[in-house]
Amino acid sequence: AQKVTQAQTEISVVEKEDVTLDCVYETRDTTYYLFWYKQPPSGELVFLIRRNSFDEQNEISGRYSWNFQKSTSSFNFTITASQVVDSAVYFCALGRAGGGNKLTFGTGTQLKVEL
Amino acid sequence: DVKVTQSSRYLVKRTGEKVFLECVQDMDHENMFWYRQDPGLGLRLIYFSYDVKMKEKGDIPEGYSVSREKKERFSLILESASTNQTSMYLCASSHPDGRNQPQHFGDGTRLSIL
Repeated sequence: AQKVTQAQTEISVVEKEDVTLDCVYETRDTTYYLFWYKQPPSGELVFLIRRNSFDEQNEISGRYSWNFQKSTSSFNFTITASQVVDSAVYFCALGRAGGGNKLTFGTGTQLKVEL
Repeated sequence: DVKVTQSSRYLVKRTGEKVFLECVQDMDHENMFWYRQDPGLGLRLIYFSYDVKMKEKGDIPEGYSVSREKKERFSLILESASTNQTSMYLCASSHPDGRNQPQHFGDGTRLSIL
Protein backbone atom coordinates (compact mmCIF):
# COMPACT_ATOMS: atom_id res chain seq x y z
CA ALA A 1 0.00 0.00 0.00
CA GLN A 2 1.12 3.52 -0.68
CA LYS A 3 1.10 6.18 2.00
CA VAL A 4 2.18 9.79 2.34
CA THR A 5 2.61 11.48 5.70
CA GLN A 6 2.76 15.22 6.20
CA ALA A 7 3.10 15.47 9.94
CA GLN A 8 2.96 19.28 10.05
CA THR A 9 -0.67 20.32 9.97
CA GLU A 10 -0.01 24.04 10.17
CA ILE A 11 3.09 26.22 10.15
CA SER A 12 3.24 29.95 10.81
CA VAL A 13 6.29 32.02 9.94
CA VAL A 14 7.16 35.66 9.62
CA GLU A 15 7.96 36.97 6.17
CA LYS A 16 11.56 36.40 5.04
CA GLU A 17 12.00 33.37 7.26
CA ASP A 18 12.98 30.08 5.68
CA VAL A 19 10.54 27.23 6.15
CA THR A 20 10.71 23.49 5.44
CA LEU A 21 7.67 21.33 4.81
CA ASP A 22 8.19 17.65 5.55
CA CYS A 23 6.97 14.72 3.51
CA VAL A 24 7.55 11.05 4.28
CA TYR A 25 6.29 8.32 1.98
CA GLU A 26 5.83 4.56 1.99
CA THR A 27 5.86 2.32 -1.05
CA ARG A 28 7.08 -1.11 -2.09
CA ASP A 29 7.62 -0.03 -5.67
CA THR A 30 11.12 0.54 -6.96
CA THR A 31 9.91 3.02 -9.57
CA TYR A 32 7.66 5.79 -8.32
CA TYR A 33 7.08 9.50 -8.59
CA LEU A 34 6.84 12.21 -5.97
CA PHE A 35 5.01 15.50 -6.36
CA TRP A 36 4.38 18.73 -4.57
CA TYR A 37 1.27 20.82 -5.20
CA LYS A 38 0.29 24.23 -3.86
CA GLN A 39 -3.32 25.13 -3.09
CA PRO A 40 -3.81 28.88 -2.59
CA PRO A 41 -7.04 30.20 -1.05
CA SER A 42 -8.63 30.28 -4.50
CA GLY A 43 -8.78 26.47 -4.37
CA GLU A 44 -7.02 25.26 -7.48
CA LEU A 45 -4.10 22.88 -6.92
CA VAL A 46 -1.00 24.12 -8.71
CA PHE A 47 1.69 21.65 -9.72
CA LEU A 48 5.15 22.55 -8.38
CA ILE A 49 7.47 19.61 -9.02
CA ARG A 50 7.64 15.95 -10.02
CA ARG A 51 10.54 13.69 -9.13
CA ASN A 52 11.14 10.07 -10.13
CA SER A 53 12.65 7.56 -7.75
CA PHE A 54 15.88 7.25 -9.72
CA ASP A 55 16.72 10.91 -9.53
CA GLU A 56 17.88 11.88 -6.05
CA GLN A 57 19.46 15.11 -7.15
CA ASN A 58 18.14 18.04 -5.18
CA GLU A 59 16.37 20.72 -7.17
CA ILE A 60 16.20 24.46 -6.78
CA SER A 61 13.76 26.75 -8.51
CA GLY A 62 14.05 30.34 -7.37
CA ARG A 63 13.15 30.45 -3.68
CA TYR A 64 11.94 26.85 -3.74
CA SER A 65 14.11 23.80 -3.20
CA TRP A 66 13.43 20.12 -2.75
CA ASN A 67 15.48 17.52 -0.88
CA PHE A 68 14.80 13.92 -1.94
CA GLN A 69 16.35 11.23 0.27
CA LYS A 70 15.48 7.62 -0.51
CA SER A 71 17.34 6.41 2.58
CA THR A 72 14.78 8.11 4.81
CA SER A 73 11.86 7.99 2.32
CA SER A 74 11.51 11.74 2.48
CA PHE A 75 10.88 14.48 -0.05
CA ASN A 76 11.06 17.76 1.83
CA PHE A 77 10.25 21.18 0.44
CA THR A 78 12.00 24.38 1.55
CA ILE A 79 10.91 27.93 0.84
CA THR A 80 13.68 30.45 1.31
CA ALA A 81 12.85 34.01 2.33
CA SER A 82 9.14 33.29 2.55
CA GLN A 83 6.60 35.82 1.32
CA VAL A 84 2.95 36.42 2.13
CA VAL A 85 2.03 35.06 -1.32
CA ASP A 86 3.45 31.70 -0.23
CA SER A 87 0.55 31.29 2.19
CA ALA A 88 -1.30 28.20 1.00
CA VAL A 89 -1.89 24.55 1.68
CA TYR A 90 0.89 22.38 0.30
CA PHE A 91 0.35 18.76 -0.62
CA CYS A 92 2.90 16.06 -1.17
CA ALA A 93 1.80 13.13 -3.36
CA LEU A 94 3.10 9.74 -4.46
CA GLY A 95 2.40 8.06 -7.79
CA ARG A 96 3.15 4.68 -9.28
CA ALA A 97 4.72 4.05 -12.63
CA GLY A 98 2.10 3.10 -15.19
CA GLY A 99 -0.65 3.16 -12.61
CA GLY A 100 -2.95 5.32 -14.66
CA ASN A 101 -1.32 8.38 -13.14
CA LYS A 102 -3.20 7.88 -9.89
CA LEU A 103 -1.79 9.70 -6.90
CA THR A 104 -1.82 9.15 -3.17
CA PHE A 105 -1.90 12.50 -1.39
CA GLY A 106 -0.75 13.50 2.05
CA THR A 107 -3.11 15.43 4.31
CA GLY A 108 -1.46 18.74 3.49
CA THR A 109 0.39 21.43 5.43
CA GLN A 110 -1.19 24.85 5.88
CA LEU A 111 1.53 27.50 5.63
CA LYS A 112 0.78 30.99 6.94
CA VAL A 113 3.29 33.70 6.22
CA GLU A 114 2.70 36.89 8.19
CA LEU A 115 4.17 40.34 7.91
CA ASP B 1 -1.85 25.93 -20.81
CA VAL B 2 -4.12 23.13 -19.69
CA LYS B 3 -7.50 24.30 -18.61
CA VAL B 4 -9.75 22.19 -16.41
CA THR B 5 -13.13 23.79 -15.84
CA GLN B 6 -15.62 22.76 -13.20
CA SER B 7 -19.15 23.92 -13.81
CA SER B 8 -19.81 25.46 -10.39
CA ARG B 9 -17.65 26.98 -7.67
CA TYR B 10 -20.40 26.73 -5.06
CA LEU B 11 -23.44 24.48 -4.99
CA VAL B 12 -26.16 23.94 -2.42
CA LYS B 13 -28.47 20.92 -2.68
CA ARG B 14 -30.91 19.08 -0.49
CA THR B 15 -30.69 15.60 1.00
CA GLY B 16 -31.93 12.97 -1.41
CA GLU B 17 -31.42 15.03 -4.55
CA LYS B 18 -29.48 13.68 -7.50
CA VAL B 19 -26.51 15.96 -8.02
CA PHE B 20 -24.32 16.35 -11.09
CA LEU B 21 -20.86 17.89 -11.00
CA GLU B 22 -19.37 18.58 -14.40
CA CYS B 23 -15.74 18.85 -15.45
CA VAL B 24 -14.31 19.73 -18.85
CA GLN B 25 -10.68 19.76 -19.96
CA ASP B 26 -9.27 21.22 -23.16
CA MET B 27 -5.99 19.32 -23.58
CA ASP B 28 -7.21 16.04 -25.02
CA HIS B 29 -6.08 14.16 -21.92
CA GLU B 30 -7.11 10.53 -21.64
CA ASN B 31 -7.04 10.42 -17.85
CA MET B 32 -9.54 12.28 -15.70
CA PHE B 33 -10.08 12.12 -11.95
CA TRP B 34 -12.56 13.13 -9.27
CA TYR B 35 -11.38 13.79 -5.72
CA ARG B 36 -12.99 15.04 -2.58
CA GLN B 37 -11.06 17.17 -0.13
CA ASP B 38 -11.90 17.28 3.56
CA PRO B 39 -10.00 18.98 6.40
CA GLY B 40 -7.42 16.66 7.91
CA LEU B 41 -7.95 14.01 5.25
CA GLY B 42 -6.27 15.55 2.23
CA LEU B 43 -7.47 14.55 -1.23
CA ARG B 44 -9.15 11.20 -1.66
CA LEU B 45 -9.81 9.65 -5.04
CA ILE B 46 -13.45 8.89 -5.80
CA TYR B 47 -13.27 7.67 -9.40
CA PHE B 48 -11.02 7.97 -12.34
CA SER B 49 -11.38 7.37 -16.05
CA TYR B 50 -8.65 6.42 -18.51
CA ASP B 51 -10.73 6.69 -21.68
CA VAL B 52 -14.22 7.39 -22.96
CA LYS B 53 -16.75 5.12 -21.28
CA MET B 54 -13.99 3.60 -19.13
CA LYS B 55 -13.95 4.11 -15.39
CA GLU B 56 -12.37 2.69 -12.30
CA LYS B 57 -13.26 3.04 -8.65
CA GLY B 58 -10.96 4.99 -6.43
CA ASP B 59 -10.65 4.81 -2.68
CA ILE B 60 -14.10 6.13 -1.73
CA PRO B 61 -16.61 5.39 -4.52
CA GLU B 62 -19.62 4.61 -2.31
CA GLY B 63 -22.54 6.91 -2.99
CA TYR B 64 -21.06 8.19 -6.24
CA SER B 65 -21.08 7.27 -9.89
CA VAL B 66 -19.42 8.82 -12.94
CA SER B 67 -20.03 9.27 -16.63
CA ARG B 68 -17.59 9.84 -19.46
CA GLU B 69 -19.37 10.00 -22.78
CA LYS B 70 -16.87 12.35 -24.40
CA LYS B 71 -13.13 12.56 -23.92
CA GLU B 72 -13.16 16.12 -22.64
CA ARG B 73 -15.98 15.74 -20.13
CA PHE B 74 -16.12 13.77 -16.89
CA SER B 75 -19.19 13.97 -14.68
CA LEU B 76 -19.53 13.02 -11.05
CA ILE B 77 -23.00 11.98 -9.90
CA LEU B 78 -24.29 11.82 -6.37
CA GLU B 79 -27.18 9.39 -6.75
CA SER B 80 -28.99 10.48 -3.57
CA ALA B 81 -27.13 13.26 -1.83
CA SER B 82 -26.50 12.97 1.89
CA THR B 83 -25.12 15.48 4.38
CA ASN B 84 -21.86 13.53 4.72
CA GLN B 85 -21.16 14.34 1.08
CA THR B 86 -20.77 18.00 1.91
CA SER B 87 -17.22 18.65 0.77
CA MET B 88 -14.90 20.27 -1.71
CA TYR B 89 -14.78 18.33 -4.99
CA LEU B 90 -11.81 18.60 -7.32
CA CYS B 91 -11.51 17.40 -10.89
CA ALA B 92 -8.18 16.74 -12.58
CA SER B 93 -6.81 15.49 -15.88
CA SER B 94 -3.48 14.16 -17.11
CA HIS B 95 -1.77 12.62 -20.08
CA PRO B 96 -0.91 8.93 -19.62
CA ASP B 97 2.64 8.01 -20.66
CA GLY B 98 3.53 5.49 -17.96
CA ARG B 99 5.67 8.04 -16.16
CA ASN B 100 2.92 9.59 -14.09
CA GLN B 101 2.61 12.97 -15.73
CA PRO B 102 1.35 15.76 -13.42
CA GLN B 103 -2.35 16.11 -12.94
CA HIS B 104 -3.93 19.46 -13.76
CA PHE B 105 -6.73 20.56 -11.47
CA GLY B 106 -9.85 22.64 -11.74
CA ASP B 107 -10.80 25.33 -9.22
CA GLY B 108 -13.00 22.96 -7.24
CA THR B 109 -16.69 22.88 -6.34
CA ARG B 110 -17.75 23.52 -2.76
CA LEU B 111 -20.85 21.40 -2.35
CA SER B 112 -23.18 21.76 0.61
CA ILE B 113 -25.92 19.23 1.21
CA LEU B 114 -28.65 20.51 3.53
